[in-house]
Amino acid sequence: SYELTQPLSVSVALGQTARITCGGNNIGSKNVHWYQQKPGQAPVLVIYRDSNRPSGIPERFSGSNSGNTATLTISRAQAGDEADYYCQVWDSSTANVFGTGTKVTVL
Amino acid sequence: QVQLQESGPGLVKPSQTLSLTCTVSGGSISSGDYYWSWIRQPPGKGLEWIGYIYYSGSTYYNPSLKSRVTISVDTSKNQFSLKLSSVTAADTAVYYCARVVRWQYYFDYWGQGTLVTVSS
Repeated sequence: SYELTQPLSVSVALGQTARITCGGNNIGSKNVHWYQQKPGQAPVLVIYRDSNRPSGIPERFSGSNSGNTATLTISRAQAGDEADYYCQVWDSSTANVFGTGTKVTVL
Repeated sequence: QVQLQESGPGLVKPSQTLSLTCTVSGGSISSGDYYWSWIRQPPGKGLEWIGYIYYSGSTYYNPSLKSRVTISVDTSKNQFSLKLSSVTAADTAVYYCARVVRWQYYFDYWGQGTLVTVSS
């Protein structure tokens, strides 16, 4: 079965750049989507198909995907960006797969 | 703006069947551009995809849950439903319904989620 691995936590200073990785075998050949989940709330789509932002998502959120790693980048981090972040792909053998999740802390 | 709302019992006894319904508003469940999905999240843990259904009734389930899961759709009510049989404490989770963009497989709208506890 296909697996996606994320770091358990990432810390970033206020106003600086956070990078959250999502590792998977040849993930660069797949479309990667990213979700933000704040405590007690449902996940929100922040990036789809590697690097596309839905309407209403700030330009500070960007994504890339190559080789065995996809990356979600949060520029000029704000206190409101503190949340759990999940990557997700569709795999032909496993169907929908979510990453293990990364807790982002803004210092 | 599409909205999804989960409903159903918050407490289910072990070995019984968990049943939830998702009501869609602001859009038609019969749109050919989307699938309709269930995802769950045990307390303090990550997201697990359960399955999805197309308005025609075609389904696709998580292989790890397939033997216990049934998802159905009622287009006349703009609703879809989840049944999970033979539940145990491990099925205790927040259950979300969500819309999936067809062929792209990302979840663009989510319900607020509903906590289901499995306990006697």
